[in-house]
Amino acid sequence: AQSVTQLGSHVSVSEGALVLLRCNYSSSVPPYLFWYVQYPNQGLQLLLKYTTGATLVKGINGFEAEFKKSETSFHLTKPSAHMSDAAEYFCAVSDGNTGNQFYFGTGTSLTVIP
Amino acid sequence: GAVVSQHPSWVICKSGTSVKIECRSLDFQATTMFWYRQFPKQSLMLMATSNEGSKATYEQGVEKDKFLINHASLTLSTLTVTSAHPEDSSFYICSARDYGGGSGNTIYFGEGSWLTVV
Repeated sequence: AQSVTQLGSHVSVSEGALVLLRCNYSSSVPPYLFWYVQYPNQGLQLLLKYTTGATLVKGINGFEAEFKKSETSFHLTKPSAHMSDAAEYFCAVSDGNTGNQFYFGTGTSLTVIP
Repeated sequence: GAVVSQHPSWVICKSGTSVKIECRSLDFQATTMFWYRQFPKQSLMLMATSNEGSKATYEQGVEKDKFLINHASLTLSTLTVTSAHPEDSSFYICSARDYGGGSGNTIYFGEGSWLTVV
């Protein structure tokens, strides 16, 4: 079975500061890992995903995440926060066998302080 | 790229009535679609897996008689909330897997549908 833990339901950073959103997963098979962003009253937008290959994955809007198997982590980072980054971020895992069913973390609300 | 569309985006219905939400894959065929529910300030929870031409598979704790899922074609799945109550008010979102073509093995999410039961 797969599960996702996002540490910190709320994260606040100053504009221009580093963004670090934590995600740890549990999976009995090689995982597919995803980060989604959800702006208020909107659906999910894919930021980036890891399936196989390079463990450092670059996504949209300057975000990147690194898959660390030994730590079962897939933390999301961005070097410099922008006001427009304020949103809800969800980490998700699906297994490589079916690739269908997603398991989401509880989400992290990012606030960017001007 | 592939797109999954949900309709309606917003719906308000009276308590006791039924409401249908559609999920369409616009440029690919989706034999399997998924329905999720998101309560305010919470994460998305899988409700059911919708399989084209067969019965949906519901997650534990989800009332299949209340949340009717129909996947009658390769591009359309519907979720009908029957005898809706205020506690059914939520954000419902679907996803579909693009098995083939240039997109390969990719999951696409719809924009979601906000249901308010008054």
